[in-house]
Amino acid sequence: DTAVSQTPKYLVTQMGNDKSIKCEQNLGHDTMYWYKQDSKKFLKIMFSYNNKELIINETVPNRFSPKSPDKAHLNLHINSLELGDSAVYFCASSQGAAATYEQYFGPGTRLTVT
Amino acid sequence: GQNIDQPTEMTATEGAIVQINCTYQTSGFNGLFWYQQHAGEAPTFLSYNVLDGLEEKGRFSSFLSRSKGYSYLLLKELQMKDSASYLCAVRLNTGNQFYFGTGTSLTVIP
Repeated sequence: DTAVSQTPKYLVTQMGNDKSIKCEQNLGHDTMYWYKQDSKKFLKIMFSYNNKELIINETVPNRFSPKSPDKAHLNLHINSLELGDSAVYFCASSQGAAATYEQYFGPGTRLTVT
Repeated sequence: GQNIDQPTEMTATEGAIVQINCTYQTSGFNGLFWYQQHAGEAPTFLSYNVLDGLEEKGRFSSFLSRSKGYSYLLLKELQMKDSASYLCAVRLNTGNQFYFGTGTSLTVIP
């Protein structure tokens, strides 16, 4: 019954490694997002996918790449991890572009880079 | 760029009323949303405003003035479980974009 799910919930890895975080939504939504929440709790949008098309790409390093195999999934792949990548990453989805559509968030993935 | 400001921290007493303000400067405004986030959890939707005025949902109300770039979230009959961060988010009318403020950490004391 989980609306938006992410795996893994915790990820501890060393600098320089490559890792992926998976996200799935079963709400039938058209748009999915990735957010990064830093230690100061600031939630910053990273990417948005609408019907498998990237429509937002904020000023994030190209080490981060979103991959959407279908409308229900938006995975985040990170190359050459750095200490500054340590944060909580949230996946979210919304129904569409109308103003009334709020976002539903996944439980978050806490990434720690050592 | 987009600029969204909220107070960093607030404290209020159980049973009281608290107002959390949010001011914004954005291009292409298409709605303002409020989310609640408990420590270690995901944000959850509380309310949204597209037009000017007050929207009421139980103990929570949200107000919007588009001409002033201002919104507030009003929480009535505060309960201890209302201790959380409250995030103001602006939706733009291009590309389905959301921008969040830095959040207001509310502590409810007995």
